[in-house]
Amino acid sequence: KNQVEQSPQSLIILEGKNCTLQCNYTVSPFSNLRWYKQDTGRGPVSLTIMTFSENTKSNGRYTATLDADTKQSSLHITASQLSDSASYICVLRTPGSARQLTFGSGTQLTVLP
Amino acid sequence: KAGVTQTPRYLIKTRGQQVTLSCSPISGHRSVSWYQQTPGQGLQFLFEYFSETQRNKGNFPGRFSGRQFSNSRSEMNVSTLELGDSALYLCASGRGEETQYFGPGTRLLVL
Repeated sequence: KNQVEQSPQSLIILEGKNCTLQCNYTVSPFSNLRWYKQDTGRGPVSLTIMTFSENTKSNGRYTATLDADTKQSSLHITASQLSDSASYICVLRTPGSARQLTFGSGTQLTVLP
Repeated sequence: KAGVTQTPRYLIKTRGQQVTLSCSPISGHRSVSWYQQTPGQGLQFLFEYFSETQRNKGNFPGRFSGRQFSNSRSEMNVSTLELGDSALYLCASGRGEETQYFGPGTRLLVL
């Protein structure tokens, strides 16, 4: 079983609409949780980063939330634009000497005009 | 400031060959990490370097190796290529522990 599960696997929305992407994890403990946006054919770009103790972090139209009790994170995109079409990946970093990244499989978002 | 650069961008090899990929981090960054991305497995961590020392290694066979030079540039090598090694190989750099700035990747096709 993957330690980081993302849902939905794919999502299609109309331009201007809002959407929320989910990330459920079992990784524990972790140093931080990031949401990345990856355009087709490009490397991922960090959108938000949250430590274990943070509940929310915003970056423009992107707002990430973290619920450590339920081990869930979400990424909310407001007033979507065509350029938001991309894969969104949830990533957790484990601390200490075993420090490494565990990636979700991503949500493929398509924004239609 | 220039971003992370990776060379080559595209590469075609045949089974059994070896390949070396290069990554130049953002100026001033001393941490470099490597990842393999495939449609079936998604992104998987390969290894991480800081100041020429490998700090961490993912669950990949010994055919995958890497190194970092004194100027922080890094290379990864894959020997005895297999069809399943076809993937996008991504490099990321950072100042300290976090390597959050990704390059565009090298797309490797093994025939």
